[in-house]
Amino acid sequence: GESVGLHLPTLSVQEGDNSIINCAYSNSASDYFIWYKQESGKGPQFIIDIRSNMDKRQGQRVTVLLNKTVKHLSLQIAATQPGDSAVYFCAETLPGGTSYGKLTFGQGTILTVHP
Amino acid sequence: DGGITQSPKYLFRKEGQNVTLSCEQNLNHDAMYWYRQDPGQGLRLIYYSQIVNDFQKGDIAEGYSVSREKKESFPLTVTSAQKNPTAFYLCATTPNGVKTEAFFGQGTRLTVV
Repeated sequence: GESVGLHLPTLSVQEGDNSIINCAYSNSASDYFIWYKQESGKGPQFIIDIRSNMDKRQGQRVTVLLNKTVKHLSLQIAATQPGDSAVYFCAETLPGGTSYGKLTFGQGTILTVHP
Repeated sequence: DGGITQSPKYLFRKEGQNVTLSCEQNLNHDAMYWYRQDPGQGLRLIYYSQIVNDFQKGDIAEGYSVSREKKESFPLTVTSAQKNPTAFYLCATTPNGVKTEAFFGQGTRLTVV
């Protein structure tokens, strides 16, 4: 079946730099996308989400961009901090039904922030 | 401390044994999910339940079973038919009818010894 994938498995940045994590999705019918952060041995934590009728959404230090033309999703983290080091997953969900926890996950990108 | 509680945090299983992983939530969410995560991989859906007394198979249901007798609880049994059960298991919940993120528990790491 179709699934979400990531371009870069690892990303190393210096503290204070901006980080960009990319994600390609293949199911054009997906209408809701989520970015999660997962620290070692813990469950995923919600970062930000975006619906398919939007191109951009901003949160605190994070921005998600959605390009439906090329089926691409990105997460931008401003002023990256050591506490941002984790694995980042994008996930997609299809329309229909009443439950939106049926997520298709990508492999994840390991973000390492050096002090 | 509210939210989703998974127990135990670590679980060891002998070959041929069934084990049950617990997931309890006090978020009053209707839907609950079980995901499996292998090292260096994303999460894959095992089973999900949208309402009490009803559940559906996910992408990798073989060798697993679930029950949903109460809204708050969605236990997962890893049976002896699951040939490669060593993994990190995550429980999640969502409210029905609202397009919002899934909330995850802290996971149970199952190891076959």
